[in-house]
Amino acid sequence: EDQVTQSPEALRLQEGESSSLNCSYTVSGLRGLFWYRQDPGKGPEFLFTLYSAGEEKEKERLKATLTKKESFLHITAPKPEDSATYLCAVPPNRLAFGKGNQVVVIP
Amino acid sequence: GAVVSQHPSRVICKSGTSVKIECRSLDFQATTMFWYRQFPKQSLMLMATSNEGSKATYEQGVEKDKFLINHASLTLSTLTVTSAHPEDSSFYICSAVEQSNTGELFFGEGSRLTVL
Repeated sequence: EDQVTQSPEALRLQEGESSSLNCSYTVSGLRGLFWYRQDPGKGPEFLFTLYSAGEEKEKERLKATLTKKESFLHITAPKPEDSATYLCAVPPNRLAFGKGNQVVVIP
Repeated sequence: GAVVSQHPSRVICKSGTSVKIECRSLDFQATTMFWYRQFPKQSLMLMATSNEGSKATYEQGVEKDKFLINHASLTLSTLTVTSAHPEDSSFYICSAVEQSNTGELFFGEGSRLTVL
């Protein structure tokens, strides 16, 4: 069965303190890994899709990378508005989600 | 990105009543939509896969007679929680696949159901 594990479950950062979130997966025949951001009481918002090991994608202060066993979401110089739960998931149809990395950025 | 609209965003109902939640893809056609429920501080749990024009495929442990799913058009899927009970209180989220793109999932805003 496809498994997705995210760590750490919760992370408190000072504004400007860069850090990384981890998503490890066991999937037979990976067809992409998705990162989403979820704010409290809202649906997930799509961030990135990564398809092959070595691939990197960036959006503002976020950069996602992928290896054969895990993905990292790097947050560079975070701001309070980056506070959210970050979810990673693997397709295809039965998209398996990790529990998320809850990030709180303190001003 | 593509827009998925979910309605209502919040609903409170009495135990024993039925509640319908709508999920619409506003600017694309979605042959497949997914329904999830999420408990506080938990991950999204897939309930069922909804395919336009055919019966939904339910995940193990999800009661198909309790959670009725209808996908009548390429832009609309509905989830009806029948005879709701307090334990059905949860955050329900739908998503849709934009087939013309790379198969990315786009999510609705979610619906908070509270059963009294």
